[in-house]
Amino acid sequence: AQSVTQLDSQVPVFEEAPVELRCNYSSSVSVYLFWYVQYPNQGLQLLLKYLSGSTLVKGINGFEAEFNKSQTSFHLRKPSVHISDTAEYFCAVSDQRAAGNKLTFGGGTRVLVKP
Amino acid sequence: DTAVSQTPKYLVTQMGNDKSIKCEQNLGHDTMYWYKQDSKKFLKIMFSYNNKELIINETVPNRFSPKSPDKAHLNLHINSLELGDSAVYFCASSLFNHPRDSYGYTFGSGTRLTVV
Repeated sequence: AQSVTQLDSQVPVFEEAPVELRCNYSSSVSVYLFWYVQYPNQGLQLLLKYLSGSTLVKGINGFEAEFNKSQTSFHLRKPSVHISDTAEYFCAVSDQRAAGNKLTFGGGTRVLVKP
Repeated sequence: DTAVSQTPKYLVTQMGNDKSIKCEQNLGHDTMYWYKQDSKKFLKIMFSYNNKELIINETVPNRFSPKSPDKAHLNLHINSLELGDSAVYFCASSLFNHPRDSYGYTFGSGTRLTVV
């Protein structure tokens, strides 16, 4: 079984400032890692994913995340945020070998970008 | 055209009623899912179907019954609704039934169910 912890439930940040959203996971098996974004009253949208290879992953809208196996972390960063980045962000994992492509999500981090 | 569409968007109903939520995807994906998002935004998988076959059935009360008439549709029927069923239900699809699917999930915009 896997679990995902997002350490911050809310992150207020000023426009054009950098932001980091923290994600730690626990798993007895190898996992793939994902970040999804949910804008108000919408479904989730894939930001980026780590499957293998380089531990620094670049995604859409200027986001990037770094996989750290020893710390079981997958933190999300953006060097300069816009008002439009205000949303809920979800970290998720999936078991590399399990059938069914099930995602286990963290509790989400609400990012509020202030002008 | 919406890739994954759910109907209705909002559903308010009384305890004890039976209701259905419909989901359709026009992406040609093989796998579809139902996730429940509770009031604290926590998302948990309920079911997944791959090409009409049930693959994942999490610990969900048997009042919830999914039905997939074809691989483009996955409906969710709920019997004897309870207050605790109030949540946002998301349908999603993915091209393949494996985590290495490079396209990830495509989510619908959700159905907000309120049981009163």
